Amino acid sequence: AQKVTQAQTEISVVEKEDVTLDCVYETRDTTYYLFWYKQPPSGELVFLIRRNSFDEQNEISGRYSWNFQKSTSSFNFTITASQVVDSAVYFCALSDWDDKIIFGKGTRLHILP
Amino acid sequence: GAGVSQSPRYKVAKRGQDVALRCDPISGHVSLFWYQQALGQGPEFLTYFQNEAQLDKSGLPSDRFFAERPEGSVSTLKIQRTQQEDSAVYLCASSFTTDMNTEAFFGQGTRLTVV
Repeated sequence: AQKVTQAQTEISVVEKEDVTLDCVYETRDTTYYLFWYKQPPSGELVFLIRRNSFDEQNEISGRYSWNFQKSTSSFNFTITASQVVDSAVYFCALSDWDDKIIFGKGTRLHILP
Repeated sequence: GAGVSQSPRYKVAKRGQDVALRCDPISGHVSLFWYQQALGQGPEFLTYFQNEAQLDKSGLPSDRFFAERPEGSVSTLKIQRTQQEDSAVYLCASSFTTDMNTEAFFGQGTRLTVV
């Protein structure tokens, strides 16, 4: 069965600090996709990234970076030099090759000015 | 419109009442998804359409929930005889591909409160 665990329910950091959001997943499939979405207070989920299980290269996009480690079934997300606008709920998600997306429970991130 | 539009944004229903939630996907998007998000939880999949065909409805919690997309564009999620446990935000998403697990664009959701 598929499962996504985001152990951090809520994190607060001061602006400009780096912060890492943890994500651990479970799946029996060898082919799958991993995602991160951001949900600001306005409510809509904003797509951040999708990675397939064959691509373990870390990815950087501006202040965002993702660390995919198959050996530990983790797909962690780091925000460098955090800003107040990064305050949101962040969801990690998983889907098997041709199946629906399963979301974790989310991590609420507060960036304090 | 430029994004996925959902209406109403807020709905208060008395227990036992029927409700209909509307989703206008991005024009030309083939795939449409409905999710239910309870307070403090992640979105949970309800159903998936590819054009007008409902290909997966495995997430609908009971036969009180019904979704349609008759012309392959606008979709309606109907909940009959609402119950308190139906209170949640209902999110709609669309994508331009036929994959169930591609980048999807979400609406702001409809917050349903059953009293």
